[in-house]
Amino acid sequence: DQQVKQNSPSLSVQEGRISILNCDYTNSMFDYFLWYKKYPAEGPTFLISISSIKDKNEDGRFTVFLNKSAKHLSLHIVPSQPGDSAVYFCAASEETSGSRLTFGEGTQLTVNP
Amino acid sequence: EPEVTQTPSHQVTQMGQEVILRCVPISNHLYFYWYRQILGQKVEFLVSFYNNEISEKSEIFDDQFSVERPDGSNFTLKIRSTKLEDSAMYFCASSEWRSSYNEQFFGPGTRLTVL
Repeated sequence: DQQVKQNSPSLSVQEGRISILNCDYTNSMFDYFLWYKKYPAEGPTFLISISSIKDKNEDGRFTVFLNKSAKHLSLHIVPSQPGDSAVYFCAASEETSGSRLTFGEGTQLTVNP
Repeated sequence: EPEVTQTPSHQVTQMGQEVILRCVPISNHLYFYWYRQILGQKVEFLVSFYNNEISEKSEIFDDQFSVERPDGSNFTLKIRSTKLEDSAMYFCASSEWRSSYNEQFFGPGTRLTVL
């Protein structure tokens, strides 16, 4: 199942700098996109979402950008903090097939002090 | 803050045995899910449950799996005869509404180890 893909398994940034996590999708029926953060031994924690009618959604340090024509979304974290170090999952859903989330592989973000 | 809880945190079982994984969704949520993550693989959807019946299930969710809401708070996943390949983290999730435009909140997971 390659409908949602996160091509970078890991990303390392310096504290205070911007972290950019990327996600690509192939299913043009996806109309809602979410980012989850996961610490070891915990479940995924909802971070931010965006519907397909928007191209940007911002919540504090977190901004998600959606480029529908490119079937690409990204999560920007500014400024990055050491506590942001976690695995970040991109997920997508489509209204016509219920509420199932299709996840990407995840990107391990490490923010160095 | 309300949260989804799951028990047990770790379950070890012998191949062929039945296991029941338990979840308590967030109290005012109406839609419930099970996902699993095999080590090193993606988080995969198993099943969604709404209004006391299965709403959607994936191809993984075969006859060995069943879900139930036995009372007003618990939501369970039963695997009738476990196989080695059922070893995974199992996550329960819940959401307030049925629409896909809705965040799902996940529990901490149950690690199932089948020997």
